[in-house]
Amino acid sequence: SQQGEEDPQALSIQEGENATMNCSYKTSINNLQWYRQNSGRGLVHLILIRSNEREKHSGRLRVTLDTSKKSSSLLITASRAADTASYFCATGILTGGGNKLTFGTGTQLKVEL
Amino acid sequence: NAGVTQTPKFRVLKTGQSMTLLCAQDMNHEYMYWYRQDPGMGLRLIHYSVGEGTTAKGEVPDGYNVSRLKKQNFLLGLESAAPSQTSVYFCASSYWGQDEAFFGQGTRLTVV
Repeated sequence: SQQGEEDPQALSIQEGENATMNCSYKTSINNLQWYRQNSGRGLVHLILIRSNEREKHSGRLRVTLDTSKKSSSLLITASRAADTASYFCATGILTGGGNKLTFGTGTQLKVEL
Repeated sequence: NAGVTQTPKFRVLKTGQSMTLLCAQDMNHEYMYWYRQDPGMGLRLIHYSVGEGTTAKGEVPDGYNVSRLKKQNFLLGLESAAPSQTSVYFCASSYWGQDEAFFGQGTRLTVV
């Protein structure tokens, strides 16, 4: 079963607006990552937040993590048309097999001019 | 620096045929993973490897086999393809001690 579930499944905004995506998960994790996937392409790593962190920033991205609620959010500020893509959260659990990632079903973001 | 390269990019198979998907990485990563991506399902882990000569099952391993004879290569095999294996397959790798995964561009497989 999927560990992470994104909400909403689809989001359409105007250029310049902020986009917020949420991710909920079920079990304890060591880290949570967000990836972007452009149509027909591979996934690109955006940002990682560890279980002992509450907030991280990277450029126009802000990620929060609430381990008590088992949830995370990704905020993209001042969105651009080039941000149009699918965004996935992935929960990471450190095992003998490295950082085993479990992906959610994704949020499709469309940024319109 | 090619990163993670998957071969082939597209393939159409008939039910019952076999094939091997190749993943190659040039970053000296210990860990390698095979995922499949289906509409509305996100990515699901098929098999993974923690180093040369080692493999392990992931979430959906049935119908697939893997081999990691060389550190830089991770092969995914379908012995007898089924329509349920129609999917986009992604390979990823990561370095020991780092948590970010690097993905290939994917292989779109259709089984008819």
